[in-house]
Amino acid sequence: EVQLVESGGGLVQPGGSLRLSCAASGFTFSSYWMFWVRQAPGKGLEWVANINQDGYESHYVDSVKGRFTVSRDNAKNSLYLQMNSLRGEDTAVYYCARDDGGSYPTTLEWWGQGTLVTVSS
Amino acid sequence: QSALTQPRSVSGSPGQSVTISCTGTYSNIGVNTAVSWYQQHPGKVPKVMIYDITKRPSGVPDRFSGSKSDNTASLTISGLQAEDEADYYCCSYAGGNTVVFGGGTTLTVL
Repeated sequence: EVQLVESGGGLVQPGGSLRLSCAASGFTFSSYWMFWVRQAPGKGLEWVANINQDGYESHYVDSVKGRFTVSRDNAKNSLYLQMNSLRGEDTAVYYCARDDGGSYPTTLEWWGQGTLVTVSS
Repeated sequence: QSALTQPRSVSGSPGQSVTISCTGTYSNIGVNTAVSWYQQHPGKVPKVMIYDITKRPSGVPDRFSGSKSDNTASLTISGLQAEDEADYYCCSYAGGNTVVFGGGTTLTVL
């Protein structure tokens, strides 16, 4: 069974940093694009970043470029999101999600339970 | 990276059909077949209901169907049931190995 388990969320001050992790199991992790998607309280889903199978290609929503870095360790079946220079508007539940395995990263087939990041002084 | 446009809310009575629209641009919805729809109940994780415009994952009732015309994708739910009350989000491939979500639509079953 596919499982994605996020960790690392918490309360951080504006300007601070946080590193999220996503532990994957139940599938061949190195074969799939992976995503980070966030949802601010009471708001909709927002794609944050994604990374290809070998970790050499990644993409970001404009609002986090230069501040967030997505990475993966295929040996550890783990996905990461390093978040720096955090702002209040980054407050959200952050979901890790797996693509459906197509040629392009298009369908978020499996989702983790999410981890809450709160940026506040 | 502009979000796709969805109505904020739709409603219908049990047994009726409702359609949720998702409007993008030529560069996202218009040129590709990678449009998906996600259902999210309050406090729950999103679940894919439709992918590649019209395909249903196993386990999703055939009451859910998808379509596309020009720059607008649509999700239709027929034979509405109380359990369908949820938020629905469209998502489209946006080129360059990126995706974009719609703002979400709240479906109320009257």
